[in-house]
Amino acid sequence: ETGVTQSPTHLIKTRGQQVTLRCSSQSGHNTVSWYQQALGQGPQFIFQYYREEENGRGNFPPRFSGLQFPNYSSELNVNALELDDSALYLCASSFQFPTVNTGELFFGEGSRLTVL
Amino acid sequence: AQKVTQAQTEISVVEKEDVTLDCVYETRDTTYYLFWYKQPPSGELVFLIRRNSFDEQNEISGRYSWNFQKSTSSFNFTITASQVVDSAVYFCALSVPTGGFKTIFGAGTRLFVKA
Repeated sequence: ETGVTQSPTHLIKTRGQQVTLRCSSQSGHNTVSWYQQALGQGPQFIFQYYREEENGRGNFPPRFSGLQFPNYSSELNVNALELDDSALYLCASSFQFPTVNTGELFFGEGSRLTVL
Repeated sequence: AQKVTQAQTEISVVEKEDVTLDCVYETRDTTYYLFWYKQPPSGELVFLIRRNSFDEQNEISGRYSWNFQKSTSSFNFTITASQVVDSAVYFCALSVPTGGFKTIFGAGTRLFVKA
């Protein structure tokens, strides 16, 4: 069984640039969630994708966007990077029935983004 | 709105001591799920346990045990006979099956277990 993998593991960008982070979900999972974890804090929910559509969003501006592909992998895009976007970005996959979701999340090791 | 509070920022114990990590949650939903996750230095959060709102039975898994009390909106986690490998950040989390089933995490408790 293949776990959740994320790329890149580390990256450095400057203010105003754009970044794309990638995630391959665990085999058998159909839902991907993205979280932002600032240093010393808990993960903050960005959004979730189910069946290639956004299925819930946290309190993040529109410059945070995403995609889910037919193979359930996903991308997180952040435009116009700001210094406060520096964080660990975590991808989590799970399995969701159409009306039932028990909620266990399986996380990747994250992509650490530094914005200078 | 949902909220999870972990009042203990850091806890330091000596190996073999018992330690309890506190978690208090807030939600108006009657159906919800509670979780504990462990985050070792590698960064990957590891799922430990899930409890649904209709099951207040406490659970024990090896050295780990969980106490769920709806009356006090608490879901506490106890590690018995702690070991150095238990050193990590532990997160309590809450999910409700509405609005995309997002999971809300507490701020975490960093546990140091000294040999």
